[in-house]
This record gives sequence, structure tokens and C-alpha cells, in this order.
Amino acid sequence: EAGVAQSPRYKIIEKRQSVAFWCNPISGHATLYWYQQILGQGPKLLIQFQNNGVVDDSQLPKDRFSAERLKGVDSTLKIQPAKLEDSAVYLCASSLEGGFGEKLFFGSGTQLSVL
Amino acid sequence: QKEVEQNSGPLSVPEGAIASLNCTYSDRGSQSFFWYRQYSGKSPELIMSIYSNGDKEDGRFTAQLNKASQYVSLLIRDSQPSDSATYLCAVRNTGGFKTIFGAGTRLFVKA
Repeated sequence: EAGVAQSPRYKIIEKRQSVAFWCNPISGHATLYWYQQILGQGPKLLIQFQNNGVVDDSQLPKDRFSAERLKGVDSTLKIQPAKLEDSAVYLCASSLEGGFGEKLFFGSGTQLSVL
Repeated sequence: QKEVEQNSGPLSVPEGAIASLNCTYSDRGSQSFFWYRQYSGKSPELIMSIYSNGDKEDGRFTAQLNKASQYVSLLIRDSQPSDSATYLCAVRNTGGFKTIFGAGTRLFVKA
């Protein structure tokens, strides 16, 4: 079974530039999550999709971050314009249906450095 | 108050010892609790889940849950150097829609 695919693996940009991350969840997984993990901290949920609908985006900085999940499969997270404090690892995860007992499967993450 | 709190460590134990990792959470209605292991530069991977009060054992790992005290712990018996990692406590909130992570505890197992 293929895992959660993410790209790119690394990205270096200057502040005020834009960047996009891509995620392909495990086949058949209805729930997709984007987490931000700053060095030394735990993952922080940015947005959660159930199929192609948004379940929670309460911690997504909507003035600069946007995300979409096309046809309930792939997802893209965009930052425009980037700030220095956006430097972090962006983790995509998926789960089967988002039920209360479900485990999350994580991709390898995208490490973003904003200079 | 943070939603999920962990001692950041580092926790250092000798090889073969028992490592004890602790976590408290603020949402009294939470029903699902998880421990994820994260090696440096890697993504989190699930090692234990627990839903009922008491102990749950899986090999060298034991998860303990006390909902009245809003406390979750992870015991690692016969610790090995390969157990050196950051352990993230995660809680599924009331309603079961969000998984919230603690900041993690760094564990070092000395050979």
C-alpha cells in the first residue's frame, strides 16, 4: 500500500514570495490534514478536509494561507506572501474516515525555509 | 493552558531501563488518545492508541489512561538506543474531529 505522498521535500524562498505544497493521500482515505510543525514544537493543525469539504480551518492564517482538495483526493496548500515565521515543516496526513479512533498516516513533509 | 501538555525533556535513561513519558490534556470530553514517535527529521508514526481507562500493552510499550485526572502516560520497558526519538502525545477532541498534539518529549536511551 502506497503511503501519503508529498512534494517538494525541501523549499527555500525569500519573504513575501509565494509557495505551494502538494499532497496525495493514501488511496481511499476520505480525511486529509495539513499540519505545521515548527522546530521543537508539536504539529499544529492548519486545515482538515473530509472528502473535498473543510471540517476545520480555525488555525489557518487565511490572510496568507489557502488550501484546496480537488475531487476529494489531492490537496494543495499555498502561502502568499510568506513570512519568516512560516519557516517550518508542513506535514500532510490522511485517515480513512476521520473517526474518533482513527490513526493518522503522515507523509514525509515539506521543509520550508523563508529567508 | 495548553490543550495537550508534555514535559519537553530531554529524558535520558540507560539501555534496559524503563522510560516513563507523561501527558495531560484539558478537554475533559476527549475520548481518543495516541502516542506517536518521531525520529529526528522524520514524520510522526503511531505506536499506541488507548480509549478506555487503565493500561494497554503492546510488546515493550504500555499506555496508561486516567480520564478523571486527564492524564495519559507511555511506558517503554527494556529501552533500546533505537527508542531515542521525540514522543508526541495526541488527543482527539470532544466530537472527535480534531487531533491535537503536544509539543513532544525527547527521549535519549544511552547504550
